[in-house]
Amino acid sequence: RKEVEQDPGPFNVPEGATVAFNCTYSNSASQSFFWYRQDCRKEPKLLMSVYSSGNEDGRFTAQLNRASQYISLLIRDSKLSDSATYLCVVGGDRRTSYGKLTFGQGTILTVHP
Amino acid sequence: GAVVSQHPSRVICKSGTSVKIECRSLDFQATTMFWYRQFPKQSLMLMATSNEGSKATYEQGVEKDKFLINHASLTLSTLTVTSAHPEDSSFYICSARDPPAGGRMNTEAFFGQGTRLTVV
Repeated sequence: RKEVEQDPGPFNVPEGATVAFNCTYSNSASQSFFWYRQDCRKEPKLLMSVYSSGNEDGRFTAQLNRASQYISLLIRDSKLSDSATYLCVVGGDRRTSYGKLTFGQGTILTVHP
Repeated sequence: GAVVSQHPSRVICKSGTSVKIECRSLDFQATTMFWYRQFPKQSLMLMATSNEGSKATYEQGVEKDKFLINHASLTLSTLTVTSAHPEDSSFYICSARDPPAGGRMNTEAFFGQGTRLTVV
């Protein structure tokens, strides 16, 4: 089983649509959770951290369910500029190297006019 | 915010030669940096953890004699791909996180711009 597993995608949606990505992780001791965005041939950039209480940043809402080891990202009112690969990322537990991150395989989103 | 700079951004080399990639943290000290590799249409795979002043920790399946890592200062880590072959062609990217404040674990990881290596 992969350490971090995401929806295979790809997602192809029209502008204005709502799209949801799901992710599961295998290490129950994981301490930090993120969604990163990666544009073609570029480095990943942080979209948002994910907190147990759930958090929202504009059109983006992230949820974390520690019991189910499940993370989600909801994008509302999709824009053309949202087209990218979305990476579910999980940070190591306190016993392991602090900064170590494990990446999901990524889900490609294409928003079309 | 914190910035990580990686150089070069692109390199083409002949098979059998060695290539050095530099990763610098510009406004914070990084005792630990991470090196990833990304093949086309795949996710980032951690290759090794670079520790300042000590040996790097390599992930399973990564040859430490082929991918030499040096972390001689708190702001610089280097990855040298020795005797490169076409199958080493990939996107190499480094990362560092600002040391946690107050035990917070959810601080952002910053990535270098990546190095696209093509071995011909």
